[in-house]
Amino acid sequence: AQKVTQAQTEISVVEKEDVTLDCVYETRDTTYYLFWYKQPPSGELVFLIRRNSFDEQNEISGRYSWNFQKSTSSFNFTITASQVVDSAVYFCALSEGGSGYALNFGKGTSLLVTP
Amino acid sequence: GAGVSQSPSNKVTEKGKDVELRCDPISGHTALYWYRQRLGQGLEFLIYFQGNSAPDKSGLPSDRFSAERTGESVSTLTIQRTQQEDSAVYLCASSLARRLEAFFGQGTRLTVV
Repeated sequence: AQKVTQAQTEISVVEKEDVTLDCVYETRDTTYYLFWYKQPPSGELVFLIRRNSFDEQNEISGRYSWNFQKSTSSFNFTITASQVVDSAVYFCALSEGGSGYALNFGKGTSLLVTP
Repeated sequence: GAGVSQSPSNKVTEKGKDVELRCDPISGHTALYWYRQRLGQGLEFLIYFQGNSAPDKSGLPSDRFSAERTGESVSTLTIQRTQQEDSAVYLCASSLARRLEAFFGQGTRLTVV
């Protein structure tokens, strides 16, 4: 069963638009971690954020912000004033206790930002 | 090194041949993971190493796949008798400890023809 669902397969926006990438997860653990990674066309996965299950505070880092809501098992990612360089595939991932807290990835959302 | 290094970056092999993929983690990182990314898909966990402990092989898809790691150094992923469905990008990641963020290498793109 898919533990991380990224319902949006592809999103296309025009530069300067705001865009939100959705992530819904499923777990029975009380301690878990959520991540977002960016995979640009070059292919290397770039770490963006890690949150633990006990910290529901929203986080902002520059144009990026994350909304973690345990009540809806969601960990959504918003890019404000998108730029062409934001074009990439974005992966949400869940880390639980098994397999050394290995990452369980969603299928990714491909974001295209056009000028 | 500064980041996770993987080699080769690309590998084309004939069906039935064995291949060996290498991962050099960030120095000091005790945890090392291998993942597989098939075209247009998310990443699948393959195997996890933590220090000198026995690896967690629960994600390996078949007994044709094996991996080794000596201590906290280089790891090799071996695929025996390759099949076309093994074609994918194989990604290695390391972290200071489990639960912490993992840093990924650029991957090895394996093509089985």
